[in-house]
Amino acid sequence: KNEVEQSPQNLTAQEGEFITINCSYSVGISALHWLQQHPGGGIVSLFMLSSGKKKHGRLIATINIQEKHSSLHITASHPRDSAVYICAVIRNYGGATNKLIFGTGTLLAVQP
Amino acid sequence: DVKVTQSSRYLVKRTGEKVFLECVQDMDHENMFWYRQDPGLGLRLIYFSYDVKMKEKGDIPEGYSVSREKKERFSLILESASTNQTSMYLCASSRTGLRNQPQHFGDGTRLSIL
Repeated sequence: KNEVEQSPQNLTAQEGEFITINCSYSVGISALHWLQQHPGGGIVSLFMLSSGKKKHGRLIATINIQEKHSSLHITASHPRDSAVYICAVIRNYGGATNKLIFGTGTLLAVQP
Repeated sequence: DVKVTQSSRYLVKRTGEKVFLECVQDMDHENMFWYRQDPGLGLRLIYFSYDVKMKEKGDIPEGYSVSREKKERFSLILESASTNQTSMYLCASSRTGLRNQPQHFGDGTRLSIL
């Protein structure tokens, strides 16, 4: 079993829909990343959070440390949101280097 | 903004060749990472470096080596390329010290070994 699980693996939505992507993890963590990868490969960090909730534009990320679960929400989705969304956790680790453990990603397609 | 630059977006090499993938970052970050990304497997850590000339194996180091002679540059070397090393390779960098520093990624190199 992967230490970081995402669901769904694939998601197709109509423009304007509210979208939720879920991430569950089984290890102790110090923080969690949500990353976005567009076709062609480059990865952009959307959020890094260790508690509560963060909002940036139409994107909202929440984390529940006790339940080891995080969600990424997209409000009023748009075709330009089509991408792979990746959850990655920073495992509790004794060193200063923040190694990440990645989920396998959620492929989102937003249709006009 | 942090800029992580990978030398090639696409690369085609032949089995047995020695292959160099280069990564440069411009923010004086201590940590640099090399990942490969494969469908259904996500990103997996090959090697990372936390200082010049320092390196540590990640989860899948077999068949790879790395070099970090200068702080801004981290090279991934495929000593003798094989077809199972066909993949997307991503470089990242981050600051050290505080644990929760974000990693900044390059655009990736899609490597095909024929």
